[in-house]
Amino acid sequence: EIVLTQSPDALSLSPGEGATLSCRASQSVGSNYLAWYQQKRGQPPRLLIYGASSRATGIPDRFSGSGSGTDFTLTISRLEPEDFAVYFCQQYVGSPFTFGGGTKVEIK
Amino acid sequence: QVQLQESGPGLVKSSETLSLTCTVSGGSISGYYWSWIRQPPGRGLEWIAYIHSTGSANYNPSLKSRVSISVDTSKDQFSLKVGSVTAADTALYYCARHVFLGSYHYHFMDVWGKGTTVTVSS
Repeated sequence: EIVLTQSPDALSLSPGEGATLSCRASQSVGSNYLAWYQQKRGQPPRLLIYGASSRATGIPDRFSGSGSGTDFTLTISRLEPEDFAVYFCQQYVGSPFTFGGGTKVEIK
Repeated sequence: QVQLQESGPGLVKSSETLSLTCTVSGGSISGYYWSWIRQPPGRGLEWIAYIHSTGSANYNPSLKSRVSISVDTSKDQFSLKVGSVTAADTALYYCARHVFLGSYHYHFMDVWGKGTTVTVSS
């Protein structure tokens, strides 16, 4: 099973600032079979990024993903009020599909 | 646009079987992979199992001995059963659709239900 470790656990930032979230895999996720989701309180996860760097439909370009192999990053260039949420990464290179523990981006 | 709705009892007694159903609306269940994913209170996400509309299934080894997933294409529904439940099975259970893109199936999810809370009582 591939273990995904996200860091930091939480990030306190102000609107307008940038955020950098990390996801590290215990082994390679192949051809970048890595997705990112955003989850707001009381809502299901929302797909943001797939293939490590491709934005899902309707996702603003302030969200970007990068990385390969075992190290991946989600960057939010300028935080909007609606971006304060929990972010999860997920690998889908092989079963069982696994998620990281999440990074909470909170308002400072 | 495709929507998913989970249904099932919110309270299950310890050692009994949890049964949930996901109804697909606004689109067909055919041709896609569908998953159950759960989230214990205040915690992260755990993938449980997936099924294709043809009936092909795959399970998380950590739960495989207790879990069964099935599909009913005539009703555009798929279902989950978890046997011998304990307090550790208390969670918010989501159903979700896997992505089909460029003639390929991928095992990340683009459509999620709102989730249904299941509490296991002793």
